[in-house]
Amino acid sequence: GAVVSQHPSRVICKSGTSVKIECRSLDFQATTMFWYRQFPKQSLMLMATSNEGSKATYEQGVEKDKFLINHASLTLSTLTVTSAHPEDSSFYICSASDPGASYNEQFFGPGTRLTVL
Amino acid sequence: AQSVTQPDIHITVSEGASLELRCNYSYGATPYLFWYVQSPGQGLQLLLKYFSGDTLVQGIKGFEAEFKRSQSSFNLRKPSVHWSDAAEYFCAVGVKGNTGKLIFGQGTTLQVKP
Repeated sequence: GAVVSQHPSRVICKSGTSVKIECRSLDFQATTMFWYRQFPKQSLMLMATSNEGSKATYEQGVEKDKFLINHASLTLSTLTVTSAHPEDSSFYICSASDPGASYNEQFFGPGTRLTVL
Repeated sequence: AQSVTQPDIHITVSEGASLELRCNYSYGATPYLFWYVQSPGQGLQLLLKYFSGDTLVQGIKGFEAEFKRSQSSFNLRKPSVHWSDAAEYFCAVGVKGNTGKLIFGQGTTLQVKP
């Protein structure tokens, strides 16, 4: 099956610094990747949709300048949390759509736990 | 607007008992429907999906779900729960079109008593 990895799995940073999270599709080329945020005991909130070679589409209420998304290749998308603050602490999950798979089927990465001190 | 409701936030069942997790959706056409499971601190694993055809779909780990258009429901079932099934379960509807977006329900936490 399609495999999606994320790196790092956990990151702790100081307030005001930037953090980059990578999302890779390991055995397929993903034209579309998605970034979600999940607070404890809550559901996944879609932050943005990332298409290879074009600008990401952000959901309403998500700050584009704070959460920078780059999808430079068919196997890699990155999310950079700029000037992170404690309220940005969360579980970030990416997913990728495999064009060869069933429509709407997304394959999820294992997630990245971000803690901002 | 599309939405997904999982009425039960938390469910506790005894090991070996049957399980049904409820999911109701709001969508203007025949939806694409999914059930995912999430273990603590992990990503999501697809249990099963419905696109069209037979309304009773079989998934992994002994799970099944039934699409009922008249009730706008896609409930997840398992005849006999195992302790390892304790996790968070999410129902999702796929938004048709070229975005491929998923809309998730709030999730149901399943606890399994020995």
